[in-house]
Amino acid sequence: SAVISQKPSRDICQRGTSLTIQCQVDSQVTMMFWYRQQPGQSLTLIATANQGSEATYESGFVIDKFPISRPNLTFSTLTVSNLSPEDSSIYLCSGYGTSGSGEQYFGPGTRLTVT
Amino acid sequence: GENVEQHPSTLSVQEGDSAVIKCTYSDSASNYFPWYKQELGKRPQLIIDIRSNVGEKKDQRIAVTLNKTAKHFSLHITETQPEDSAVYFCAASRNNAGNMLTFGGGTRLMVKP
Repeated sequence: SAVISQKPSRDICQRGTSLTIQCQVDSQVTMMFWYRQQPGQSLTLIATANQGSEATYESGFVIDKFPISRPNLTFSTLTVSNLSPEDSSIYLCSGYGTSGSGEQYFGPGTRLTVT
Repeated sequence: GENVEQHPSTLSVQEGDSAVIKCTYSDSASNYFPWYKQELGKRPQLIIDIRSNVGEKKDQRIAVTLNKTAKHFSLHITETQPEDSAVYFCAASRNNAGNMLTFGGGTRLMVKP
């Protein structure tokens, strides 16, 4: 199975600032995703990170607020911009690849607290 | 788009008893249904999945059933143990694979020793 790491694991940020989260997978994956998980809630897909092109955003999420990069197959970043307390959440990246039976694996998550 | 409903939101069982979690989906084109277990502070981990060409799949104490006609699928855990305590999420995808997933709301399972 793919091993996925994220940095930072947690951060406390002031409102109005931005946080960039890095996601690294240990093997080539065909697709990478970013999710948000608010406390006690389910996972909500923010966007699909596309290699070398603009990410594909889900309804309710926009590029200006959540810019995403994916310069190669194994690395992606998510920036949460112009932070407000409502952005306090856990952000998870995930990878889906062609190995095994086509399962989606998750990173450990980044816990963001906005003060 | 797809909508996945999950019930119950919380479930408390005695150790050794069985636990059943049910999900319904709205998109008849969905054909891949994984279940994830998330322990407190940890990442979601895939525990079992089923594709639309089978009705049931079993892995030791865990089984999943799928009723395509009724658009619902269920997770069955037998002989529950305290370490089964976690939040369980069902999900659905229309690509016969684990990529474009829509998640249910989650079930917090508590197994009392």
